[in-house]
Amino acid sequence: DTGVSQDPRHKITKRGQNVTFRCDPISEHNRLYWYRQTLGQGPEFLTYFQNEAQLEKSRLLSDRFSAERPKGSFSTLEIQRTEQGDSAMYLCASNSGGRGTEAFFGQGTRLTVV
Amino acid sequence: SQQGEEDPQALSIQEGENATMNCSYKTSINNLQWYRQNSGRGLVHLILIRSNEREKHSGRLRVTLDTSKKSSSLLITASRAADTASYFCVNAGGTSYGKLTFGQGTILTVHP
Repeated sequence: DTGVSQDPRHKITKRGQNVTFRCDPISEHNRLYWYRQTLGQGPEFLTYFQNEAQLEKSRLLSDRFSAERPKGSFSTLEIQRTEQGDSAMYLCASNSGGRGTEAFFGQGTRLTVV
Repeated sequence: SQQGEEDPQALSIQEGENATMNCSYKTSINNLQWYRQNSGRGLVHLILIRSNEREKHSGRLRVTLDTSKKSSSLLITASRAADTASYFCVNAGGTSYGKLTFGQGTILTVHP
């Protein structure tokens, strides 16, 4: 399957712990996005990579959040000192081509902070 | 904000009926995209309409765009229970790379 893959699918962690999520985009896609979605809301943009460069970060992304895409392929999103408010679905998407092309989303990582 | 705002927030219909969802946006667009999200398949792209297009069809989907009113509509004809999902209108025009900005979505329930 050559779709966007995210790991893990579910994560339960205690408040204060660090968590890391991984996203493997479609291999030929140079753009990668992270979104966060809470119940009843649409996905909110967190950050964007073009190849290995992180070109935009949302103000939603506090200092506890960091994302990397070291070789322009897979990406990781780390949350340090998790809080209950971090509980959400974290979605990764990728695309390439011209401005505003269709994005392909992974199934997401559902984070629950207890 | 580029955020699309969908209307209605929830829609409940019987199988076989048509479903119409509307979207308004605030800034100029390069294109407008519609996505569907359900528990089984996650978030999936449905259709894209460019700013110079007025109507587009794909199977049972029909999208219209009125740039003078900054609005779009998605029509699903002959709905099926499998169409039950959240539908999002997405503005992809506000940045050089086309960041997708989602609204809250319309929750469509199709009763068999």
